[in-house]
Amino acid sequence: DTGVSQNPRHKITKRGQNVTFRCDPISEHNRLYWYRQTLGQGPEFLTYFQNEAQLEKSRLLSDRFSAERPKGSFSTLEIQRTEQGDSAMYLCASSSPPYGTQYFGPGTRLLVL
Amino acid sequence: AQTVTQSQPEMSVQEAETVTLSCTYDTSESDYYLFWYKQPPSRQMILVIRQEAYKQQNATENRFSVNFQKAAKSFSLKISDSQLGDAAMYFCAYNGGDMRFGAGTRLTVKP
Repeated sequence: DTGVSQNPRHKITKRGQNVTFRCDPISEHNRLYWYRQTLGQGPEFLTYFQNEAQLEKSRLLSDRFSAERPKGSFSTLEIQRTEQGDSAMYLCASSSPPYGTQYFGPGTRLLVL
Repeated sequence: AQTVTQSQPEMSVQEAETVTLSCTYDTSESDYYLFWYKQPPSRQMILVIRQEAYKQQNATENRFSVNFQKAAKSFSLKISDSQLGDAAMYFCAYNGGDMRFGAGTRLTVKP
């Protein structure tokens, strides 16, 4: 049983560029979550999917951010027109009923220059 | 809104000794989950232990145990026989529908 995987693990980009991250959840986990974690802080919730439906979005998720889970399996998180303030670790997690416990991937560390 | 507070930004323990990390939370819900996650430097967040609020018995996982005080909204983690590999950031988390994390406690283990 493989865990949650995320790609890429590291991304360096220039301000204004678009970036896309991918998350593959634990197989048969129908909920998938995205979090952002800045240095020295705990993860902050961004959004989550149940199957292919995006059920909740945080106010942290500005209109430059978009997430998809088209087939209810893997998910992508895209950031358009990146800003230096977007530099953070982006974490993905997944869960299955009763949804209490979430299992995390290794994260994608984004640095915007 | 639910909040999670970890009042100890840093803690230190001697190898083989016991350390307790504190966590308090605020909620009006009666049914929820509480967790401790461990995040080693530049590594993956790992579930250490979880507690369902309806269970009165404190959860235990090998050297890790919790002291869950529902009325006081307190959820501390005790690590017994500390090992060098226990050094990490520890995050307390609450899930009553969506997951909220504390700011973390950095644990150092001295040989």
